[in-house]
Amino acid sequence: ILNVEQSPQSLHVQEGDSTNFTCSFPSSNFYALHWYRWETAKSPEALFVMTLNGDEKKKGRISATLNTKEGYSYLYIKGSQPEDSATYLCAFPGNTPLVFGKGTRLSVIA
Amino acid sequence: NAGVTQTPKFRVLKTGQSMTLLCAQDMNHEYMYWYRQDPGMGLRLIHYSVGEGTTAKGEVPDGYNVSRLKKQNFLLGLESAAPSQTSVYFCASSYSGIGNQPQHFGDGTRLSIL
Repeated sequence: ILNVEQSPQSLHVQEGDSTNFTCSFPSSNFYALHWYRWETAKSPEALFVMTLNGDEKKKGRISATLNTKEGYSYLYIKGSQPEDSATYLCAFPGNTPLVFGKGTRLSVIA
Repeated sequence: NAGVTQTPKFRVLKTGQSMTLLCAQDMNHEYMYWYRQDPGMGLRLIHYSVGEGTTAKGEVPDGYNVSRLKKQNFLLGLESAAPSQTSVYFCASSYSGIGNQPQHFGDGTRLSIL
């Protein structure tokens, strides 16, 4: 089964700090890489779908980059706010529609 | 905008009982999915459907059955519930199965098997 790795598993930052975390995926047969944001007691919500090497996507203070040749994507949050506290999932199309990583749980302390 | 709706939201069953979880989407999506979410395991795909009348196995299909009789509905059945099936179940849908289409999730069903 295809492996999608996310690091770190959890992260605690102070309000106003900028932070980033990593998603690693197989570099062969790349098609797309998804990022989802999952707040506690809610459902996962799509942030970005990235398809091109070197792609950079941005939504407000959150941005993501993609390196398909080496098989990784970074998610950046600039000036973290308490409302950014969530689990951030990445997902990669494998033999089944999407294989999800276990996520990075971000806690932003006010 | 309803999006993806799951019913029920909570349920407690006894071992051996059966039940059906309902997922409904109003976005005319072709693909629908059932996941389970367990601590430390992330989201794991149980079954999925590529269109009305079709179903396919995911990563952890054992103990579950599914049906997609109508395009907007995807049912997940537990014929004989086991404590190992205690989990939070999420339904999702996407416009197509092409990897560049995001999935839209329901709010989840928390199921406890005693």
